[in-house]
This record gives sequence, structure tokens and C-alpha cells, in this order.
Amino acid sequence: SQTIHQWPATLVQPVGSPLSLECTVEGTSNPNLYWYRQAAGRGLQLLFYSVGIGQISSEVPQNLSASRPQDRQFILSSKKLLLSDSGFYLCAWSVWLAGTYEQYFGPGTRLTVT
Amino acid sequence: AQSVSQHNHHVILSEAASLELGCNYSYGGTVNLFWYVQYPGQHLQLLLKYFSGDPLVKGIKGFEAEFIKSKFSFNLRKPSVQWSDTAEYFCAVNAKPGGSYIPTFGRGTSLIVHP
Repeated sequence: SQTIHQWPATLVQPVGSPLSLECTVEGTSNPNLYWYRQAAGRGLQLLFYSVGIGQISSEVPQNLSASRPQDRQFILSSKKLLLSDSGFYLCAWSVWLAGTYEQYFGPGTRLTVT
Repeated sequence: AQSVSQHNHHVILSEAASLELGCNYSYGGTVNLFWYVQYPGQHLQLLLKYFSGDPLVKGIKGFEAEFIKSKFSFNLRKPSVQWSDTAEYFCAVNAKPGGSYIPTFGRGTSLIVHP
């Protein structure tokens, strides 16, 4: 069966510090990978998605970047965190299944920028 | 571009009450529709989905949703809620602009069920 891992689960970082959040998927090949940010009362905001190694599409221009160095690894980064980067970050994967892409989500990372 | 609107942001019910959460989307083409649920402290997980066929779909834990194409709606229902249904519920639309499926999520509805 497929599983998705995210780490760390929680993170407290000072403003201006770098960020690296990692997501890995097991049990599937060539998945589409996604990074979302979830804010209370604002739903899920798609940040980045990737359809293959080295292929990254950005949905929202901001202080963050993403990379996909391996087929089942997706990394969210920042060179200098802002206060507004605080939030709950979710990684998701999807594969083509019965006529559409169905998404599966990781446990999330709670990021607090101080 | 596709968009999703969830009308109820906060819903408070007593156990055994009936539930209906509204979801409307805007997209003129073919869509796939989903409801996700996030229980406190848990992963976001799929509750039910509509691809094609019978517009009334049944999901886990007694939930169902009806796709009404003419109203662009996919409302979630449960005849009798339980305290354990307390969670956040997200409606999502997965359309096909430009050859790729990029889902759009609603803002979510927080459901609190009092015992």
C-alpha cells in the first residue's frame, strides 16, 4: 500500500532563517506531487505541484520554492522565512485512477515563524 | 478557471440531527467532485467522490452527496450525525483545463457535534 511521509511534524523558526520541509511517498511510481498551505477558514491553497522529476509548477508567487530531486521526494524550501510563512503545510500525491487523479495527503507540518 | 464555494463555514449540531453542507463550483466542462474530511489531529482523507454515473454517491461513515449538474452543486448529507463526525470538511473540484487535473478546494466547513 502507498504511504506518504512528511517531516518534521512541527517546526519553529526565526524570521530570516532558511526552511526545508521534506515529503516522500512509498508504494507508487511517478506520482503527481503537491504542496499546499492550509490556513484556518481559508481552505487549502495550492503552492506547487510536480508531474515528474525536476518539473515544478508554481501556483502562487511568494517566498517559497519547491524541488523534486527524486521520483518520490518533494521538498519545500525558503532562503529567508517571513512571518507570513507561518501555517500548516500539507504534501499530497495523486495518480491516475479510474478517470481522474485522486489525491492522498500527508500528516502535515505546522510551521511557526517567530 | 474553476472555483469552489462552501457556504457554511461553521456548523454546530446536536447528535442525531441531520446534516447538509453546501458546495457549489464554477466550471463549464467535465468535473470530478470530492469531499474530504479532516478529523482533529488526523490526516485529510477522502470521504467520497463523484466521477460519473449515478449522481448520488455514498461514502464512508454514512455520508452521501448528490451531484446536481444544473445547479453546479455537490452537497454533502448525513441523516443523523454523531459526536465523532466533528471535523473539518472540504469540497474539491478536479477539472481538466489544459490537459492536467489540478484540484481546487473550498474554504472548508467546521462541523461541531455536541453529544
